[in-house]
Amino acid sequence: KNEVEQSPQNLTAQEGEFITINCSYSVGISALHWLQQHPGGGIVSLFMLSSGKKKHGRLIATINIQEKHSSLHITASHPRDSAVYICAVRFNFGNEKLTFGTGTRLTIIP
Amino acid sequence: GAGVSQTPSNKVTEKGKYVELRCDPISGHTALYWYRQSLGQGPEFLIYFQGTGAADDSGLPNDRFFAVRPEGSVSTLKIQRTERGDSAVYLCASSLSPRGALRSYNEQFFGPGTRLTVL
Repeated sequence: KNEVEQSPQNLTAQEGEFITINCSYSVGISALHWLQQHPGGGIVSLFMLSSGKKKHGRLIATINIQEKHSSLHITASHPRDSAVYICAVRFNFGNEKLTFGTGTRLTIIP
Repeated sequence: GAGVSQTPSNKVTEKGKYVELRCDPISGHTALYWYRQSLGQGPEFLIYFQGTGAADDSGLPNDRFFAVRPEGSVSTLKIQRTERGDSAVYLCASSLSPRGALRSYNEQFFGPGTRLTVL
């Protein structure tokens, strides 16, 4: 079965802390998205990656294809980073659809 | 340019009623996806269109759900005889077509979603 698991499910941290959210998946993929969803809002794609590492501002995403694992890091976290972060993958043999993790609810306290 | 848009943003209906949810993809995107996100869960795949045809509808939960894309652009998700369990956020995404013989993945761009509440 093609599965995506995220951890932790909930994360509360103080402003300024370094944040790590993890995603693991069961079989080979061709792409992995990190997505951000604010309460009542739509989904915004933060990164799409298939290998290595990407950085955008205070956000960094890494992926290890051999270990079937990806991490999303937030440096110098800020209350506006509070949102649900979702990992989604396109499995090699799952046609074009994305399979999503259940999300990590991040709360940054001022 | 304009992103993916969805209307309405919110829909409240009564059990047993019929609803239509609309998705306008990014211009030029031939692939269109519908996903459903129940409270506290990640989105789940419903159906995928390539052009006008449904390339994969394996995620539709039952025959009360149907989607069309008659001209290969705008898509409508139709739900008959709504049930309380249909309450969710319905997300639409679009992308360029898969590339090449290996069907390389193209990034999906998401709309803001339609929040459906069935009373």
